[in-house]
Amino acid sequence: RKEVEQDPGPFNVPEGATVAFNCTYSNSASQSFFWYRQDCRKEPKLLMSVYSSGNEDGRFTAQLNRASQYISLLIRDSKLSDSATYLCVPNTGFQKLVFGTGTRLLVSP
Amino acid sequence: NAGVTQTPKFQVLKTGQSMTLQCAQDMNHEYMSWYRQDPGMGLRLIHYSVGAGITDQGEVPNGYNVSRSTTEDFPLRLLSAAPSQTSVYFCASSRLVGGNYGYTFGSGTRLTVV
Repeated sequence: RKEVEQDPGPFNVPEGATVAFNCTYSNSASQSFFWYRQDCRKEPKLLMSVYSSGNEDGRFTAQLNRASQYISLLIRDSKLSDSATYLCVPNTGFQKLVFGTGTRLLVSP
Repeated sequence: NAGVTQTPKFQVLKTGQSMTLQCAQDMNHEYMSWYRQDPGMGLRLIHYSVGAGITDQGEVPNGYNVSRSTTEDFPLRLLSAAPSQTSVYFCASSRLVGGNYGYTFGSGTRLTVV
């Protein structure tokens, strides 16, 4: 079983919409996670860290559900610039972060 | 701070040639690593280092060598390039900040082996 699984998408949403992605993970010992965004042909950039208490940064809210072993990312008031691939990454703490293929988001005018 | 700098940005090699991809960071990060990303796939770890003089293999190390003589630099050497090594290569660095190992990535090197 893969360490993390994400719906590859693409999720097509209009500007201003609210969109949510889920990421399921297999290692119940995982304590925290990262959400990265990757623009086409660019490097991944850290969006936010997710701990048991969740995290909110402006239009972005991340939650961790340990009972069901999933992490969610909610984007409110989507912007065209939010179009990217969003990667859910378990924080293994061993400097060997495992990146999946992520979920692709397309925001249209 | 420049962050993580990778050179070159683009490179075309002939099969059998060798070359070194450079990676430098100016954030005094202990940890550095190399990933490759093939079209439609996630990043795969090639090699990583937890400090100067210490390196270890990742998921796909064959055909690549690394060394870490200084904290700042972590070059990746392709010993004898093969078409299967055509990929985008990303270098990343990180440090421990309250248990958060968030990575900073370089902008990548796009390598084509013909």
